[in-house]
Amino acid sequence: AQRVTQPEKLLSVFKGAPVELKCNYSYSGSPELFWYVQYSRQRLQLLLRHISRESIKGFTADLNKGETSFHLKKPFAQEEDSAMYYCALSGYNFNKFYFGSGTKLNVKP
Amino acid sequence: DTGVSQNPRHKITKRGQNVTFRCDPISEHNRLYWYRQTLGQGPEFLTYFQNEAQLEKSRLLSDRFSAERPKGSFSTLEIQRTEQGDSAMYLCASNPPGWRRTEAFFGQGTRLTVV
Repeated sequence: AQRVTQPEKLLSVFKGAPVELKCNYSYSGSPELFWYVQYSRQRLQLLLRHISRESIKGFTADLNKGETSFHLKKPFAQEEDSAMYYCALSGYNFNKFYFGSGTKLNVKP
Repeated sequence: DTGVSQNPRHKITKRGQNVTFRCDPISEHNRLYWYRQTLGQGPEFLTYFQNEAQLEKSRLLSDRFSAERPKGSFSTLEIQRTEQGDSAMYLCASNPPGWRRTEAFFGQGTRLTVV
């Protein structure tokens, strides 16, 4: 069965500190992994996708198939990074997305 | 705002009543999704359409739920005989055809409260 697990409900860090938001998944096929972000009072939006191997707003994520993980990292957190972050998984045809329960990132000044 | 639009934004209804939500996707997007999100959880897939065809429904979608996309443009989600457990945020998303379909664009959601 498909499952996305985000073990941390809340992660608090100080500005300038490194951030790692954890995501583990289970999927029977070859998954596509994403990170979505929801800033306060805004809609859910795509942050990055592993297929593009991109860095957005200083965030990166590496797909580790051996550990079935797709952790989101940023070397120096900024206050504007405070938001809800959702890890999501899709199959090869992107016909639906499975979301984790989310991690709230709080970056303190 | 040319993004995905959902109406109403909020709906309070009495248990047992029927409610209908509307979603207008981004115009060139042929896929449309409905998700449900309860407090402390991520969005859960309910159903999706490719153009006017409903291609998949989740087991979460009981017989009281029905979704339509009659002309392949806007979609409606109807819940009949609402129950308190239906209280949630209902999210609509769409994505375009081709290689850009990897990104789902979400609406702001309709928050349903069943009293």
